[in-house]
Amino acid sequence: TQLLEQSPQFLSIQEGENLTVYCNSSSVFSSLQWYRQEPGEGPVLLVTVVTGGEVKKLKRLTFQFGDARKDSSLHITAAQTGDTGLYLCAGDDRDDKIIFGKGTRLHILP
Amino acid sequence: NAGVTQTPKFQVLKTGQSMTLQCAQDMNHEYMSWYRQDPGMGLRLIHYSVGAGITDQGEVPNGYNVSRSTTEDFPLRLLSAAPSQTSVYFCASSHGASGTFSYEQYFGPGTRLTVT
Repeated sequence: TQLLEQSPQFLSIQEGENLTVYCNSSSVFSSLQWYRQEPGEGPVLLVTVVTGGEVKKLKRLTFQFGDARKDSSLHITAAQTGDTGLYLCAGDDRDDKIIFGKGTRLHILP
Repeated sequence: NAGVTQTPKFQVLKTGQSMTLQCAQDMNHEYMSWYRQDPGMGLRLIHYSVGAGITDQGEVPNGYNVSRSTTEDFPLRLLSAAPSQTSVYFCASSHGASGTFSYEQYFGPGTRLTVT
């Protein structure tokens, strides 16, 4: 079974700072998805990265897929309190199983 | 469109009881899945289905059964509830595994289950 490891597990920073969280694996994925989950709700899709080296931007969020398609990063510029939440990465196993990392719990302090 | 709906939102069971968690989607998605979410464990795949009549086991299938008689519905059955099954359960759906973005999932709001 392929594994996705996310780091850091927890991150608490001041509003306005920049941050990067990571999603790593020893396996190759055809695509990776990033989700954000708020308390009491289901995860919501932010982006899908497909091509090795791909960079996608969603306002202040920048997502990058590693050249070898084994890892991905999420960079947030000038974090806001509304960015607080659990960030999850997910990828497709070879057998059509979609697996998730354990997530990075992000807390932005006002 | 309602998207992915789950019922009930909350449930308390006694050890040994059985119950069915309902999940339905109105997006004509082929792929549906069930996850459980426990503190510090992320989302773990229980069972999934790539289409009506087809189901397969995920990472943690023991103690759970599923069926997929229609495209819209994917119920999860707990056969004999145990305290270890206390968790938040999420159902999700996505387009069929035939295109680039087939793994983008839409999640329901979750069912919070407590087994005493």
